[in-house]
Amino acid sequence: DSGVTQTPKHLITATGQRVTLRCSPRSGDLSVYWYQQSLDQGLQFLIQYYNGEERAKGNILERFSAQQFPDLHSELNLSSLELGDSALYFCASRGSSETQYFGPGTRLLVL
Amino acid sequence: DQQVKQNSPSLSVQEGRISILNCDYTNSMFDYFLWYKKYPAEGPTFLISISSIKDKNEDGRFTVFLNKSAKHLSLHIVPSQPGDSAVYFCAASAWVGSSNTGKLIFGQGTTLQVKP
Repeated sequence: DSGVTQTPKHLITATGQRVTLRCSPRSGDLSVYWYQQSLDQGLQFLIQYYNGEERAKGNILERFSAQQFPDLHSELNLSSLELGDSALYFCASRGSSETQYFGPGTRLLVL
Repeated sequence: DQQVKQNSPSLSVQEGRISILNCDYTNSMFDYFLWYKKYPAEGPTFLISISSIKDKNEDGRFTVFLNKSAKHLSLHIVPSQPGDSAVYFCAASAWVGSSNTGKLIFGQGTTLQVKP
């Protein structure tokens, strides 16, 4: 158990819909990272938050957004969903070391 | 542009023998490297890491070697056990300017099968 929790574990929705994925980092970790793992793209960095502020962005679509709340949990919002958004979404948290610890992921299926 | 490459999609070894997983990178600004193990439908589990100022780091059965001049790192598992069967990802992070945000660039993964 990494100490990082993600909900929900599975999500099935339709094209055009909007979903919110939630992540709680390890106790004391200020940084939260979001990654997407699709079949053909591997694990891709989406976005990072540090203590409530956006710190870095990767190849995140404009339809996607995220935020980190004062209690340090983070939410990834995916809107106008397309079939190609079906993937595993992982969050990871990081403390003072360089190591990121990953949550169990949310499997999103867009039909 | 694949900055971190794992050229072997799969590897099969006998239980008790050594498993060697390889990873190449192209960005000389990478300064920290990590190996993760992943089972299907689970998140990546951190195994071992190495800073660019070192050439070797060991933790139990796992050893990571870094060859900066060749931009190559490898993970050695000795002895290999059937429970080691999983997908292994190498990842790298880099400093940008005066900070290291820590975003990881992952390789495509190598599926290791350890046969009893």
